[in-house]
Amino acid sequence: DTAVSQTPKYLVTQMGNDKSIKCEQNLGHDTMYWYKQDSKKFLKIMFSYNNKELIINETVPNRFSPKSPDKAHLNLHINSLELGDSAVYFCASSQERGWVVSTGNTIYFGEGSWLTVV
Amino acid sequence: DAKTTQPNSMESNEEEPVHLPCNHSTISGTDYIHWYRQLPSQGPEYVIHGLTSNVNNRMASLAIAEDRKSSTLILHRATLRDAAVYYCILRDGLYGNKLVFGAGTILRVKS
Repeated sequence: DTAVSQTPKYLVTQMGNDKSIKCEQNLGHDTMYWYKQDSKKFLKIMFSYNNKELIINETVPNRFSPKSPDKAHLNLHINSLELGDSAVYFCASSQERGWVVSTGNTIYFGEGSWLTVV
Repeated sequence: DAKTTQPNSMESNEEEPVHLPCNHSTISGTDYIHWYRQLPSQGPEYVIHGLTSNVNNRMASLAIAEDRKSSTLILHRATLRDAAVYYCILRDGLYGNKLVFGAGTILRVKS
């Protein structure tokens, strides 16, 4: 069983469209993340949720809206897609304890969702 | 977030050891040193982490300088499957609930 699974793996869509990427983890973790990897291959954190509560929001445009219906799911909805949104989006999860982190805890990443906006 | 410096790329022969260096001169006392790697077309995966002492696991070893301003990830016998981008990351021990990735080191393994 895949620990962190994302769908879809590939997505090609036109500018202006609205799309969602779904993420599910079966590890029982309480913290989930979205990272973005752009064409220059830099990985940057976008959001983090702990027990369905948003704890990190890294200066991401309002067009990006994460939603966590429960601890095991963190979906990413993107409105009015732009060319610059083309990237690989990685979902991840870890077991943390609120704001205080046990830094030995591994962060598990999904395989990524390749988004291409044309 | 404290920064790390790694070589852009390194090359190794298969079955030989690989030493991947990382400089982190501004590391704070509560920062842990984490290593992740990203294989082609995959998400990053955890390799190893440490605070002050050297660490070993089934994937690699981590050697940490006494002043903690640098560290080295050691792959004891590189295989073709180890070809990846290796990231050295400092993670705050109190509030490090995110990973800040740098450019990493591209490791190429020759057969």
